[in-house]
Amino acid sequence: GEDVEQSLFLSVREGDSSVINCTYTDSSSTYLYWYKQEPGAGLQLLTYIFSNMDMKQDQRLTVLLNKKDKHLSLRIADTQTGDSAIYFCAERGGGYNKLIFGAGTRLAVHP
Amino acid sequence: DVKVTQSSRYLVKRTGEKVFLECVQDMDHENMFWYRQDPGLGLRLIYFSYDVKMKEKGDIPEGYSVSREKKERFSLILESASTNQTSMYLCASSPGTSLGNTEAFFGQGTRLTVV
Repeated sequence: GEDVEQSLFLSVREGDSSVINCTYTDSSSTYLYWYKQEPGAGLQLLTYIFSNMDMKQDQRLTVLLNKKDKHLSLRIADTQTGDSAIYFCAERGGGYNKLIFGAGTRLAVHP
Repeated sequence: DVKVTQSSRYLVKRTGEKVFLECVQDMDHENMFWYRQDPGLGLRLIYFSYDVKMKEKGDIPEGYSVSREKKERFSLILESASTNQTSMYLCASSPGTSLGNTEAFFGQGTRLTVV
């Protein structure tokens, strides 16, 4: 069945780069997403990548997709304290545009 | 500005009560979803609806039901609340296109505590 996995915690120093990794199982996924959840809030879409792309860059964010290994990563350059949040990887799987989410990676940024 | 609104941010209910969580979207989206979020488990899909009066079970439908009488409103019902349903509940909506990006928009969440 469909499954999305990510590590639960990542701690980085302010100014360093953060890399959050995700693996998924559904090879037919057309879109893959990164959502951000700040404390006490719902999820907001950060970025997404279409499955025929290898990389997408958007300001400080870089998404890399390795379709062969079903591996997705999100790199945040020059990580700031405001980037502290939970980051969810999601794939569009199944019928009816259903999104399958990973467990979320809690990013902690320390001085 | 797109909006998904959940009726309550915080709810405290007693075991055995019938609980209604309401969600309204103003984007004319076909798809609506109810997830619950628990630490270490991420978001798990309870139910989703792809059209008015249509519903599909998600991964954890037991103990829940849903209602979609109007396109903009999707209700989650806990028939008899239990303490293991204490959780954060997130509603989402997305357009019904089968091609193209299908971004889901989320409400702010309802933190339900069952005592």
